[in-house]
Amino acid sequence: GAVVSQHPSRVICKSGTSVKIECRSLDFQATTMFWYRQFPKQSLMLMATSNEGSKATYEQGVEKDKFLINHASLTLSTLTVTSAHPEDSSFYICSARHHGAMTNEQFFGPGTRLTVL
Amino acid sequence: AQKVTQAQTEISVVEKEDVTLDCVYETRDTTYYLFWYKQPPSGELVFLIRRNSFDEQNEISGRYSWNFQKSTSSFNFTITASQVVDSAVYFCALRILTVGGGFKTIFGAGTRLFVKA
Repeated sequence: GAVVSQHPSRVICKSGTSVKIECRSLDFQATTMFWYRQFPKQSLMLMATSNEGSKATYEQGVEKDKFLINHASLTLSTLTVTSAHPEDSSFYICSARHHGAMTNEQFFGPGTRLTVL
Repeated sequence: AQKVTQAQTEISVVEKEDVTLDCVYETRDTTYYLFWYKQPPSGELVFLIRRNSFDEQNEISGRYSWNFQKSTSSFNFTITASQVVDSAVYFCALRILTVGGGFKTIFGAGTRLFVKA
């Protein structure tokens, strides 16, 4: 149990285009999902917390108009990188927390590698 | 300023040895959260623990234990009787509430642990 998937696993796009990444909890309902970004030299950043049915909460310094997050159902959150540029190339990772969970445990997806040309 | 320092870039141990990964944080906030994550060679992150600043009790989970010392601003992670499967990059993180009411999460640079058979 507690499987999280991401789609696509890899995407290459041209500069200026928008890219949507999906995060799904396959066998549980997730009220809360998180989006992370991992830079080439492995450092991590939490971008935002996505709550089902409400606006995402972005971490300080993250451009909300650049990284659009939608959490329309208890099993799906999407991250759209708008007007992507080469500096947005990164490994994007989502995680999900069980609906009604008593613990803080998060379950991670396998990540999406975005390359912007 | 907030900061997380994982001074050990790489550690190499032999199976069955105990190993401690250090994490030192800096913040003036009295309310904050501390995390540890594991990223094995597969790349998929694993959540290990979240601890709030008011809970200084040490935690043990199987071979894993965490020592939270507010006096030294440290949240060290010990693996007892290490196994090859423990080989991974381990990240420590600090989460604080910002002045504007949002959150900011600061990750350490990570410690790469090699466990040799």
